[in-house]
Amino acid sequence: EIVLTQSPGTLSLSPGERATLSCRASQSVSSSYLAWYQQKPGQAPRLLIYSTSSRASGIPDRFSGSGSGTDFTLTISRLEPEDFAVYYCQHYYSSPYTFGQGTKLEIK
Amino acid sequence: EVQLLESGGGLVQPGGSLRLSCAASGFTFTTYAMTWVRQAPGKGLQWVSAIDGRAGSTYYADSVKGRFTMSRDNSKNTLYLQMNSLRAEDTAVYYCAKLSGYYASGTYHFDYWGQGTLVTVSS
Repeated sequence: EIVLTQSPGTLSLSPGERATLSCRASQSVSSSYLAWYQQKPGQAPRLLIYSTSSRASGIPDRFSGSGSGTDFTLTISRLEPEDFAVYYCQHYYSSPYTFGQGTKLEIK
Repeated sequence: EVQLLESGGGLVQPGGSLRLSCAASGFTFTTYAMTWVRQAPGKGLQWVSAIDGRAGSTYYADSVKGRFTMSRDNSKNTLYLQMNSLRAEDTAVYYCAKLSGYYASGTYHFDYWGQGTLVTVSS
């Protein structure tokens, strides 16, 4: 089973700043099968990024993904108030699918 | 517009059973694999199970294997999760989600999610 470790656990930033979230896998993951999801309190997760760097439908271009092998990154170029949420990475190459433990992005 | 609506959650005693449903609309249901993901209170996301588009194959997390059964009725565009021998650690919001392709064995991301249904296992 692939274990995904996200860092930091909590990231405190101000609107307008740049956010960099990390996801490290316990073994190499094909970049075709790494996704990022956003979850706001009381809401379902929402797909942001798939295949490491492809934005899902309707996702603003301030969200970008990158990485390969065991290290992946979600970058939010200029934080908007609605971006403060919890973010999860996930691999979906094969069952069992696993998620990282999440990074909480909070307003500083 | 893709819509997924879960139902069937509630309070159940340890050792009891519950069946969750997920009604799907806005896409050709038989063409896509589906999955269940759960989230314990205040915790992260945990994948539970997945099923191919025509229910040819199912996959389960080790933590629910042998206790949970996932199925689908393609004539009703509905997904199910039969949960038996429930434990306190099964307490969670259960989300159904659509995969971006037909096979549940891997390589397809989860592109649409329902709002979830809460299952509480407690005496």
